Amino acid sequence: GENVEQHPSTLSVQEGDSAVIKCTYSDSASNYFPWYKQELGKRPQLIIDIRSNVGEKKDQRIAVTLNKTAKHFSLHITETQPEDSAVYFCAARNSWGKLQFGAGTQVVVTP
Amino acid sequence: DTEVTQTPKHLVMGMTNKKSLKCEQHMGHRAMYWYKQKAKKPPELMFVYSYEKLSINESVPSRFSPECPNSSLLNLHLHALQPEDSALYLCASSLLGSRYNEQFFGPGTRLTVL
Repeated sequence: GENVEQHPSTLSVQEGDSAVIKCTYSDSASNYFPWYKQELGKRPQLIIDIRSNVGEKKDQRIAVTLNKTAKHFSLHITETQPEDSAVYFCAARNSWGKLQFGAGTQVVVTP
Repeated sequence: DTEVTQTPKHLVMGMTNKKSLKCEQHMGHRAMYWYKQKAKKPPELMFVYSYEKLSINESVPSRFSPECPNSSLLNLHLHALQPEDSALYLCASSLLGSRYNEQFFGPGTRLTVL
């Protein structure tokens, strides 16, 4: 089945700096890769997603890149702000339609 | 209405109790999901309903029994749970027909089994 690995597990950044989270997946048939943000005590919320026929997607301060050959994808957050502090999960949807999540990255943005 | 709602928000139950978790959405989504999330871990898929029929059961113990009475409602019946079943139970829904459809999560029910 699909296996998604996510690194790092924790990430501390100064406000204004960039944050990068990396994920790899194993199922070459996976073709949809969403990123969820989960604040403490809240539900996971989709912040950006990318399809396998696209290499990069950007939405304001957030961007995601996908390398299908290497089977890895990354989340980039620029100009980080304290409200970016949360747990971020990458995910990959496999050929059966199941979303497999990475282990999560705790991002802490310090003022 | 663009939200998935869940009740109750919190639930404390003993190992001999029977309780139910409820999930509702009015976005016309025909796929609904139950996930279990332990602290500091990702959501783990439990069940998937497609067009009100159970399509995926991730080898979940029979003490968890899902039910989808109609296209807007999803229940999870709990019986004879164990303390290790304490977790956040998340419901989600999505459109069907495309592999790119976003899953919308509810706020979850925080379950404690004593």
